[in-house]
Amino acid sequence: GNSVTQMEGPVTLSEEAFLTINCTYTATGYPSLFWYVQYPGEGLQLLLKATKADDKGSNKGFEATYRKETTSFHLEKGSVQVSDSAVYFCALIGSGNTGKLIFGQGTTLQVKP
Amino acid sequence: GAGVSQSPSNKVTEKGKDVELRCDPISGHTALYWYRQSLGQGLEFLIYFQGNSAPDKSGLPSDRFSAERTGGSVSTLTIQRTQQEDSAVYLCASSPGRHGYTFGSGTRLTVV
Repeated sequence: GNSVTQMEGPVTLSEEAFLTINCTYTATGYPSLFWYVQYPGEGLQLLLKATKADDKGSNKGFEATYRKETTSFHLEKGSVQVSDSAVYFCALIGSGNTGKLIFGQGTTLQVKP
Repeated sequence: GAGVSQSPSNKVTEKGKDVELRCDPISGHTALYWYRQSLGQGLEFLIYFQGNSAPDKSGLPSDRFSAERTGGSVSTLTIQRTQQEDSAVYLCASSPGRHGYTFGSGTRLTVV
């Protein structure tokens, strides 16, 4: 079945550091890929998405590129801020199913001033 | 409404009692999903409604869990005879199609 694997956290960085959160997936066909973010005390919010191979999703300085050859969708940001501290979830919707989101385990990011 | 509304936001119940959690999706969204977020367990799919089709119940963990969606809008997740392992945040999401999920803020359920 479809699945998503994320790097384990927590990831602790200093402000202005470069961020990478790894995400790989297993799915048949061409799934759509997503990154969701959950800030402390808040609900899940869509951060970015990519719906086909080689697409790059971007938002708020974050980027992720859909790599079919490596089945990956790594999240990157060039310079993190304290306000980026949150839990980040990688997710997919399989190409043939009902639209059900399959989530990774989540990665906690802590950014220190 | 403007977003997905869930109630109550917090619920504390005694072990063995039944609870009902409510979700008001965004008006016009045909798809509605329930997920559970447990500490250390990530996000677990529970059930999915799409229009008038039979719901996908494949994620419900036991027969103590059930859900219904009335009139293609409001949904209620019911947990019977609650157990301590049911303690979690229950999230509802709605979508107009295969993409574009909007999540509610969740109901934090604590079984004591």
